[in-house]
Amino acid sequence: DAGVTQSPTHLIKTRGQQVTLRCSPISGHKSVSWYQQVLGQGPQFIFQYYEKEERGRGNFPDRFSARQFPNYSSELNVNALLLGDSALYLCASSLAQGVETQYFGPGTRLLVL
Amino acid sequence: EDKVVQSPLSLVVHEGDTVTLNCSYEVTNFRSLLWYKQEKKAPTFLFMLTSSGIEKKSGRLSSILDKKELFSILNITATQTGDSAIYLCAVRGSSNTGKLIFGQGTTLQVKP
Repeated sequence: DAGVTQSPTHLIKTRGQQVTLRCSPISGHKSVSWYQQVLGQGPQFIFQYYEKEERGRGNFPDRFSARQFPNYSSELNVNALLLGDSALYLCASSLAQGVETQYFGPGTRLLVL
Repeated sequence: EDKVVQSPLSLVVHEGDTVTLNCSYEVTNFRSLLWYKQEKKAPTFLFMLTSSGIEKKSGRLSSILDKKELFSILNITATQTGDSAIYLCAVRGSSNTGKLIFGQGTTLQVKP
């Protein structure tokens, strides 16, 4: 069975640009969460989506937004990129909202110059 | 504020050694604690613990939770070079979201 997939694997952008990251959950999983991992730190929660609705939001500015599609895949958008947005963006899927075991994808490495 | 602290931050051992990684937490209405192994990118799920005193084992890895003292340990016996990775501890509180609160991780290097 395919695990969580994310695209692209790497991305280089310049300050002020916008970026869209994509995630496909494990088949049968309906919940997707997004995390940002800065080098040397643990992942930080950005969003959770379940049944196409936002169910949780971390302490990130409004430049960050996301959505979930009817097939449960998800996109994370970041507008007006800052140098500090450079990080590994991880997507995690779980069966449902509130199911603790989250399975992570390989991530998208974003570099903002 | 909810917090998860791991120690040590980094560790260098030789093959065959036994290591103990620590995770302490302060979380409102604790629900579960999870351990992940991160080698290149994707954190790989190891264990989830919800009850005190029950040891979870998988091969050379084991983990136990102490809900009274608010900590967990991850033990790795007979370490191998393939155990070299970042080990992440995450805790879920009572919010209705799936939010996991991660510690900063322990970087383990196992030398031949």
